[in-house]
Amino acid sequence: QQQVKQSPQSLIVQKGGISIINCAYENTAFDYFPWYQQFPGKGPALLIAIRPDVSEKKEGRFTISFNKSAKQFSLHIMDSQPGDSATYFCAASISADKLIFGTGTRLQVFP
Amino acid sequence: DGGITQSPKYLFRKEGQNVTLSCEQNLNHDAMYWYRQDPGQGLRLIYYSQIVNDFQKGDIAEGYSVSREKKESFPLTVTSAQKNPTAFYLCASSIGTGGPYGYTFGSGTRLTVV
Repeated sequence: QQQVKQSPQSLIVQKGGISIINCAYENTAFDYFPWYQQFPGKGPALLIAIRPDVSEKKEGRFTISFNKSAKQFSLHIMDSQPGDSATYFCAASISADKLIFGTGTRLQVFP
Repeated sequence: DGGITQSPKYLFRKEGQNVTLSCEQNLNHDAMYWYRQDPGQGLRLIYYSQIVNDFQKGDIAEGYSVSREKKESFPLTVTSAQKNPTAFYLCASSIGTGGPYGYTFGSGTRLTVV
């Protein structure tokens, strides 16, 4: 019940396209859902986060969509660029408790 | 600038040797974490600490040890009992109780057994 399932494992998108990464969870007590972006050889960096009281949050080209009833949330990257090529992790936590990470999605954006 | 500093960036360990990875933060965060990342894999939690002088085992604590004597520091020792230590090690911190709850990660230490 503490798992966060992430898909796909890898994703190839053409420049200008939309990248979509999905995550699902079981524990309804989770109340914080962040996404992290990691470039090779670097630590992950917080990209965007959402709480379950909103269904969508947008920051620039990045949008989190949240479906509380389905216990799913997803990251949409609009107008994907080669510079977006990285590994993306979703995560979930209960308030200040430790984050539970998904297994990661390797995104490659080709020109 | 506030952040997390991990050192060294690269570390080589001989068989049977203990090595210690450093993690220092100046963010005044209460909670600190150690993760292991293998090539193409996700993040696996080794140890975490939510307050000074207290820490808990994560999912893969065997062969590792930590201490939390100061709020700013959370060193990780990879002991000779860890049979496959070659990996990328990431330290993170968070404010803890009261939020916001996001983690700040360091730049990582790549450990290789030679």
